[in-house]
Amino acid sequence: SQKIEQNSEALNIQEGKTATLTCNYTNYSPAYLQWYRQDPGRGPVFLLLIRENEKEKRKERLKVTFDTTLKQSLFHITASQPADSATYLCALETNDYKLSFGAGTTVTVRA
Amino acid sequence: DTGVSQDPRHKITKRGQNVTFRCDPISEHNRLYWYRQTLGQGPEFLTYFQNEAQLEKSRLLSDRFSAERPKGSFSTLEIQRTEQGDSAMYLCASSFDRNSPLHFGNGTRLTVT
Repeated sequence: SQKIEQNSEALNIQEGKTATLTCNYTNYSPAYLQWYRQDPGRGPVFLLLIRENEKEKRKERLKVTFDTTLKQSLFHITASQPADSATYLCALETNDYKLSFGAGTTVTVRA
Repeated sequence: DTGVSQDPRHKITKRGQNVTFRCDPISEHNRLYWYRQTLGQGPEFLTYFQNEAQLEKSRLLSDRFSAERPKGSFSTLEIQRTEQGDSAMYLCASSFDRNSPLHFGNGTRLTVT
């Protein structure tokens, strides 16, 4: 069966450190992978999209890698700030053109 | 671009009642999606539209759920004979096309008592 798995444990880090989140998938061959941020009581907000032929993508303090051999994406938040505290979701396009999401990883950045 | 709006933000209903939610997508977006999210889980796909055509409905979705998108504009999601297990956040999202990111609304939180 198809699965998308993210870090099951919440991540608590000190301000200024780098947070690294993992997204693993099985039985998919996605053309691209997306990362979203979700704050409590709000809908997810798109952050980054990385295509299968791209190894790395950056946006400000965010970096995403995509390894189609390992079937894994890593999401990094560098120089983290308390405002980065949220749940981060990875999402893949499945065979029938819909986006499927992982359960998310909650990040808390301590001042 | 006023974003995706959903109405109502919260709905409390008694088991067995019918409820209807509305979603207004970003105006130039052709695709509209409905997702359901429960606590601690990611959004779960329910259905999506390309313009006014409903192209897929999740196999997990019971016949009590129906969605429409008349004229390819706003969409409604109706749940008939609600059950306590229907309690969740119902999220609507839109996108310009298949390869574009999704823009989500802030959801309708349904509580079935």
